[in-house]
Amino acid sequence: YELTQPPSVSVAPGKTATITCQGNNIGAKSVHWYQQKTGQAPVLVISFDSDRPSGIPERFSGSNSGNTATLSISSVEAADEADYYCQVWDYTSDEYVFGFGTTVTVL
Amino acid sequence: QVQLVQSGAEVKKPGASVKVSCKASGYDFNTFDISWVRQAPGQGLEWMGRISIRNGNTKDAQKFQGRVTMTTDTSTATVYMEVRNLRSDDTAVYYCARMVAVAGINWFDPWGQGTLVTVSS
Repeated sequence: YELTQPPSVSVAPGKTATITCQGNNIGAKSVHWYQQKTGQAPVLVISFDSDRPSGIPERFSGSNSGNTATLSISSVEAADEADYYCQVWDYTSDEYVFGFGTTVTVL
Repeated sequence: QVQLVQSGAEVKKPGASVKVSCKASGYDFNTFDISWVRQAPGQGLEWMGRISIRNGNTKDAQKFQGRVTMTTDTSTATVYMEVRNLRSDDTAVYYCARMVAVAGINWFDPWGQGTLVTVSS
């Protein structure tokens, strides 16, 4: 099972960054999103398609339908510059799959 | 707070083995499985396998079957992963991550700080 993400997204401060994660009928799966800043370990920002863990700003939101899951970051700040990865569980192989990652650049 | 602390960086020669540790604290160690994920330089995240702390059962990603062994020491709340027959393309940062499960759905939270394993002759 393969997850496709755009390699990069550029956004101006204060605007909304939209990161897509495409997979065959991904809407039938639960999608989780991780933020990884340079030189740091990944951090969970969205679980179960749209749930925000405690401590994650409300600016982060997620949705999932059809063949595309989406992570949105509203009112983008410089601190949001990072790589973002989507992740699902592939039941056919019983393995966990990550997207290729998207680098968010704040202009 | 929930924390996973990994062992330090390693440098190994091709064909050697490496064993990375991951010590958990701040939660009931027996309740959550642990997964291992690696990241080659400049690359994305790659899931390697998981271990059940409760019964020691493991599930390896097909790519790593036969080359990876995961074990646990419940007396010290530590999980270990050994990778054998190292190759240069095993050079990566290796992360452990706690697996949170709700209604049969799993995700990774939190992650250890990572262990850099360099394979070079």
